[in-house]
Amino acid sequence: GENVEQHPSTLSVQEGDSAVIKCTYSDSASNYFPWYKQELGKGPQLIIDIRSNVGEKKDQRIAVTLNKTAKHFSLHITETQPEDSAVYFCAASRTSGTYKYIFGTGTRLKVLA
Amino acid sequence: DGGITQSPKYLFRKEGQNVTLSCEQNLNHDAMYWYRQDPGQGLRLIYYSQIVNDFQKGDIAEGYSVSREKKESFPLTVTSAQKNPTAFYLCASSPHRDIWESGELFFGEGSRLTVL
Repeated sequence: GENVEQHPSTLSVQEGDSAVIKCTYSDSASNYFPWYKQELGKGPQLIIDIRSNVGEKKDQRIAVTLNKTAKHFSLHITETQPEDSAVYFCAASRTSGTYKYIFGTGTRLKVLA
Repeated sequence: DGGITQSPKYLFRKEGQNVTLSCEQNLNHDAMYWYRQDPGQGLRLIYYSQIVNDFQKGDIAEGYSVSREKKESFPLTVTSAQKNPTAFYLCASSPHRDIWESGELFFGEGSRLTVL
């Protein structure tokens, strides 16, 4: 079946450095790729998303890039801050048909002060 | 404030007992979902409902049941047939696909179930 692979599973960076999390998807019909941030004991919240007709999207310190040919997409966080510490999930979905998202396994990001 | 409310936040259950997790939303969303989260694994879809009185199995529906009698409510029952029920359960909602411009899922804060 369809799956999304996410790497790394854990990532530690010094405050102010950049962090990159990568995902690869298998369903070539996927055309919507959101990233969710989950803080301890909370539900995930959308932080940024990208659609397949766009190669890159940026929102302040976070950006997402998409390579449709290679079927992978990445989250980039620049100038990391302690409050960026959380678990990040990528997902892939089609925007027609079923409502199914396929989530990656998550990356625990620790920003060291 | 609009949002999704899950209860209880923590629940303990003895083996062989059924337990029901509550999920209520006041976002006027048509679609609702239940996900299971285990350490080191992504969110796995248990059940979803696109509209009142209708629901579909997700990838790991065995041992679970749901109902969707009201638009606002989508309770999940973890039955004694679920072999490994200890997990963190997340409920989410979204608008109807025809008007779902953003694609965003709105999650509750989760319910942690522990089977003793």
